[in-house]
Amino acid sequence: EVKLVESGGVLVQPGGSLRLSCAASGFTFSNYDMHWVRQAAGKGLEWVSGIGTSGNTHYSGSVRGRFTISRENGKKSLYLQMSSLRDEDTAVYYCVTGGDGWDVWGKGTTVTVSS
Amino acid sequence: QSVLTQPPSASGTPGQGVSISCSGSSSNIGSHSVYWYLHVPGTAPKVLIYKNNQRPSGVPDRFSGSKSGTSASLAISGLRSEDEADYYCAVWDDSLSGWVFGGGTKLTVL
Repeated sequence: EVKLVESGGVLVQPGGSLRLSCAASGFTFSNYDMHWVRQAAGKGLEWVSGIGTSGNTHYSGSVRGRFTISRENGKKSLYLQMSSLRDEDTAVYYCVTGGDGWDVWGKGTTVTVSS
Repeated sequence: QSVLTQPPSASGTPGQGVSISCSGSSSNIGSHSVYWYLHVPGTAPKVLIYKNNQRPSGVPDRFSGSKSGTSASLAISGLRSEDEADYYCAVWDDSLSGWVFGGGTKLTVL
């Protein structure tokens, strides 16, 4: 079964740091681009960051310079290192992948930034 | 505001058809393939259309996508109550060097 399982979401204070993880199974992880997509309560989907099979990275303007995406193919894992967190980073974070469209999504992990 | 503009809401009665638009620019829709996602709150989003007009296996042919210039559309025919959800378009944007989603359209089946 193709599966993505996110972890690491917690309550953190503004200005704090956090690392999200995504464990992949059921497919050849190294062959796929991986992404993080988030959704704040009452808001739409927002692409956060992506990493290609060769390790090339991209970020949305709202997180560039604060978040770092990485992958460890041997562990079939994706990470998102988040720093200088702001209230507006509060959201459910989904780990996402796919070939023809993003057809594999995790259930999400919730990050709450609040004092 | 997103660089992709979708109507915030759409509605129709069972059996009717409805179309959801997604307007962008030359740096996104005008240059790259459009994807459409269905999202029922509390569940994982699902890809409905990839590469402008292609349906993944398992997606009914009631759903169709099209693109012209810097705009794209998702058409749903034979509306069913289970189609009630949020619909998002997504595309790569060269100017932003990243993916962008439309603001989402909430479809209500009356």
